[in-house]
Amino acid sequence: EDQVTQSPEALRLQEGESSSLNCSYTVSGLRGLFWYRQDPGKGPEFLFTLYSAGEEKEKERLKATLTKKESFLHITAPKPEDSATYLCAVQDAGFQKLVFGTGTRLLVSP
Amino acid sequence: DTGVSQDPRHKITKRGQNVTFRCDPISEHNRLYWYRQTLGQGPEFLTYFQNEAQLEKSRLLSDRFSAERPKGSFSTLEIQRTEQGDSAMYLCASSLYDRDYEKLFFGSGTQLSVL
Repeated sequence: EDQVTQSPEALRLQEGESSSLNCSYTVSGLRGLFWYRQDPGKGPEFLFTLYSAGEEKEKERLKATLTKKESFLHITAPKPEDSATYLCAVQDAGFQKLVFGTGTRLLVSP
Repeated sequence: DTGVSQDPRHKITKRGQNVTFRCDPISEHNRLYWYRQTLGQGPEFLTYFQNEAQLEKSRLLSDRFSAERPKGSFSTLEIQRTEQGDSAMYLCASSLYDRDYEKLFFGSGTQLSVL
């Protein structure tokens, strides 16, 4: 059964303090690994899809990387507006659904 | 692109009542998904449609749950005889499916509270 584990559960950073979020996954055949951002009371907002080991994608202060067992979301010089829950999900090649982790709650203090 | 729209945003009901939620996907999208999310958890897959055909249902979707997507446009999710365990955020997502690429856009969800 596909599994996604995210760590840490919560992370508190000072503005400008760079860090990384981890997503470990188990899937029989990876079709894609997704990162989403979710603000309180809202639906997840798409950030990135990664398809194969070694792939990297960037958007503003965020950079996502992928290996055969895990993905990292690197946050460089974060700002308070980056505060949110970051969700990782995998899509198995044999299925259409996304399997989500429980997320990392990020709080960036000014 | 007006995004995925869900209605209502909040629903409070008493145990045993029936409720229905509506989702309007992005107009050109051919796939529509329903997920459920409880506090502190990631979204869990319930079911999905490609055009008007319901192609997969999770075992989480008991007989009390039914979803439709008439004419491949909007979708409804009905819960009959609600139970307190049904309290959750119900999320709809849509995508333009391509064999090699799929990106899901989520709505803001319907928050259901069963008293």
